[in-house]
Amino acid sequence: AQRVTQPEKLLSVFKGAPVELKCNYSYSGSPELFWYVQYSRQRLQLLLRHISRESIKGFTADLNKGETSFHLKKPFAQEEDSAMYYCALSGSAGNMLTFGGGTRLMVKP
Amino acid sequence: EADIYQTPRYLVIGTGKKITLECSQTMGHDKMYWYQQDPGMELHLIHYSYGVNSTEKGDLSSESTVSRIRTEHFPLTLESARPSHTSQYLCASTLPGGPHNEQFFGPGTRLTVL
Repeated sequence: AQRVTQPEKLLSVFKGAPVELKCNYSYSGSPELFWYVQYSRQRLQLLLRHISRESIKGFTADLNKGETSFHLKKPFAQEEDSAMYYCALSGSAGNMLTFGGGTRLMVKP
Repeated sequence: EADIYQTPRYLVIGTGKKITLECSQTMGHDKMYWYQQDPGMELHLIHYSYGVNSTEKGDLSSESTVSRIRTEHFPLTLESARPSHTSQYLCASTLPGGPHNEQFFGPGTRLTVL
């Protein structure tokens, strides 16, 4: 069985501060990990995927297989980063997504 | 415009009523999904479809049913709504040939059963 845990329901930081949204997973095989984001009054959308090793809107995430984690990081938070962030896991290409419970990020001015 | 649509966006209905939540996409996607999400909780996959005449149950058991008669249309039906069905329902789809995990989401339907 695969499981995704986001331990923080709410994360509040000031503008310009670093931010780290935690994601831990359990899966016996080789997972694919994703971060989805939902801004206020917008629909859920893909932010980034670990296989691309990309930086989107200043966010990066590194897959740590030893710690089974895929934390989302940004060195300097902006107010427009305020949103709900969901970590998701796919067991292998073609398998369904398992989502975590989400973390609400609030960036205060 | 290529997009994925859900109607209604909000629905308040009494117990025992039959309801259908509509989901349509104009992006030519083949795979489509329905998720259920309670406030502050995970998204749970309740149904998915690989294409026309294909429907499968997801990880979370649901009393709802789905159909896929046309590629672009994937409606979800509850024959007799109950208060326990109160939730948000999200529809999603995937590019032809794309993996299940790169999904595009609709705006959602928030259902309240009184």
